[in-house]
Amino acid sequence: DAGVIQSPRHEVTEMGQEVTLRCKPISGHDYLFWYRQTMMRGLELLIYFNNNVPIDDSGMPEDRFSAKMPNASFSTLKIQPSEPRDSAVYFCASSLGAQPINQPQHFGDGTRLSIL
Amino acid sequence: DAKTTQPPSMDCAEGRAANLPCNHSTISGNEYVYWYRQIHSQGPQYIIHGLKNNETNEMASLIITEDRKSSTLILPHATLRDTAVYYCIVRVGQGAQKLVFGQGTRLTINP
Repeated sequence: DAGVIQSPRHEVTEMGQEVTLRCKPISGHDYLFWYRQTMMRGLELLIYFNNNVPIDDSGMPEDRFSAKMPNASFSTLKIQPSEPRDSAVYFCASSLGAQPINQPQHFGDGTRLSIL
Repeated sequence: DAKTTQPPSMDCAEGRAANLPCNHSTISGNEYVYWYRQIHSQGPQYIIHGLKNNETNEMASLIITEDRKSSTLILPHATLRDTAVYYCIVRVGQGAQKLVFGQGTRLTINP
């Protein structure tokens, strides 16, 4: 079975440009997560969705970041305008439900974002 | 979620068992212990989880002490491909979906 698919794998762009990261979760999974990883802060959760609805966006750093999930098979994380401090690896993960307990999250291979 | 403490790094010889410890002395009764690992340039990979009983799957074994204040992840026959950062995470069984990653243990398998 296909895992979580993220695109692009690498993105290099100039400061001020809009950046869109894409994620296709595992089919049938109803939770989708966006994480960011940096050397300084490690892995941190930005936002997660349940059944396409944002549940917790408390980790989104500021208004320049936005995430959407228009359907069960696609999500985007957008940064506008981008800044050099946004450079990081962004991971998408998905999981299947929360019964009987929270199920393991399955991660994509990430998008390595560099803002010049 | 309860905080965990792991050694920053460990080494193990190829073919030997790798035992990775984790302390979670403030764990609550409804919190599970999860283990993930992250191989270089890849996303984190789920390994195993448990509540109070020892667990085993095709990847590893998880030993949880009777008081649940610590646990050990065991890779029975470590290979070079097991070189990775291993994260021990404690989280509630239901409700909040958030995974809080600490610094983990950087395990190096030596030939």
